Amino acid sequence: DTGVSQNPRHKITKRGQNVTFRCDPISEHNRLYWYRQTLGQGPEFLTYFQNEAQLEKSRLLSDRFSAERPKGSFSTLEIQRTEQGDSAMYLCASSYSLGGTGISGANVLTFGAGSRLTVL
Amino acid sequence: AQSVTQLDSQVPVFEEAPVELRCNYSSSVSVYLFWYVQYPNQGLQLLLKYLSGSTLVKGINGFEAEFNKSQTSFHLRKPSVHISDTAEYFCAVTSNQAGTALIFGKGTTLSVSS
Repeated sequence: DTGVSQNPRHKITKRGQNVTFRCDPISEHNRLYWYRQTLGQGPEFLTYFQNEAQLEKSRLLSDRFSAERPKGSFSTLEIQRTEQGDSAMYLCASSYSLGGTGISGANVLTFGAGSRLTVL
Repeated sequence: AQSVTQLDSQVPVFEEAPVELRCNYSSSVSVYLFWYVQYPNQGLQLLLKYLSGSTLVKGINGFEAEFNKSQTSFHLRKPSVHISDTAEYFCAVTSNQAGTALIFGKGTTLSVSS
């Protein structure tokens, strides 16, 4: 178990460029989450996957954002036509779910160190 | 929908003093509650969680929290802090409905000085 891995750790880009972040979750975890954290704020939920299915998306996830988890393992978060307001730390987390409702490992998230985006 | 309010954005405290970081939540259904810690330039780390059972939960590094349903609170406490406890602390809530997103508060910066 090597934890949740995110790459790159830091990306500096010019406004209007596209960027892509990658997240490798803990191997036995079937759920993967993306969060965004700006300075002085707590993490804000963006989206999550169970296996390869994207089950929920926040209203924060504009049309310029797209996330994929094609084989139910790693995930990518792409931001097209970046804006200065996109500058933030993008956090990935994973968890294991037994499925269904009630208490499960689904609610205990393990976070990666994050990918910091700076848009100039 | 759930929400979390962390009542103090910054808490300065001297080493070996007790500390309490306050957290209140809002939810129309049963909740699960968490405290995460974020050290400078590091990822979020789970401190402790309340899923069910005893309302007093103990976590890592000597921290504990008490779930109070009537006051909708989940305050974090430590009887004696160390310099190394200096970090950002986040309270988070989710519900017992599978797949509900974990919602975080804005965080409390704990600054421990000698």
